[in-house]
Amino acid sequence: QQQVKQSPQSLIVQKGGISIINCAYENTAFDYFPWYQQFPGKGPALLIAIRPDVSEKKEGRFTISFNKSAKQFSLHIMDSQPGDSATYFCAIRFWFSGGYNKLIFGAGTRLAVHP
Amino acid sequence: ETGVTQTPRHLVMGMTNKKSLKCEQHLGHNAMYWYKQSAKKPLELMFVYSLEERVENNSVPSRFSPECPNSSHLFLHLHTLQPEDSALYLCASSQGPKVPGELFFGEGSRLTVL
Repeated sequence: QQQVKQSPQSLIVQKGGISIINCAYENTAFDYFPWYQQFPGKGPALLIAIRPDVSEKKEGRFTISFNKSAKQFSLHIMDSQPGDSATYFCAIRFWFSGGYNKLIFGAGTRLAVHP
Repeated sequence: ETGVTQTPRHLVMGMTNKKSLKCEQHLGHNAMYWYKQSAKKPLELMFVYSLEERVENNSVPSRFSPECPNSSHLFLHLHTLQPEDSALYLCASSQGPKVPGELFFGEGSRLTVL
């Protein structure tokens, strides 16, 4: 079973600070690395994604950094706001021999941004 | 509103009950998924349907029985469940399992097994 190791499990950041969440994977048969955001009582929703031919992708205050040689990628939230308080999941797209792909998720990071 | 609707939102059932979870997507997608979400654990993929055909059964116990009557509807039939099956069950859809880009999730059905 392919795994994605996500850390930390929980994170507390002051408003305006930088939130950093890290993920590591074991295999190289992946070609798509999305991050999902989940608010309480809601399902996860795609936040930002990156392909391995790019080392960094930025969308507003959210940045994904990708280190292919280290098999790691991370999410940085700049100028963190209380509204960013949610659970964040990294994921990897795994090419499955059955002719389709599936997303494998990390265990999640619960982020709390204090005012 | 993600375009994926799940009912019921909350369900409490005994170990001998039979119940069903329903999912409906209004996005025109051709792949639908059931995920199990337990506290502090990764989202677990349970089943994948592509064009109404089951293409993935991720070693799920037979007490969970999926049904996909058409590309817009997905059910999860539950019977003789165990307390450890208590979790949030998420339905999702995408343009296809062959190239799943963005998964669109419903808000989930919170299941409690007594």
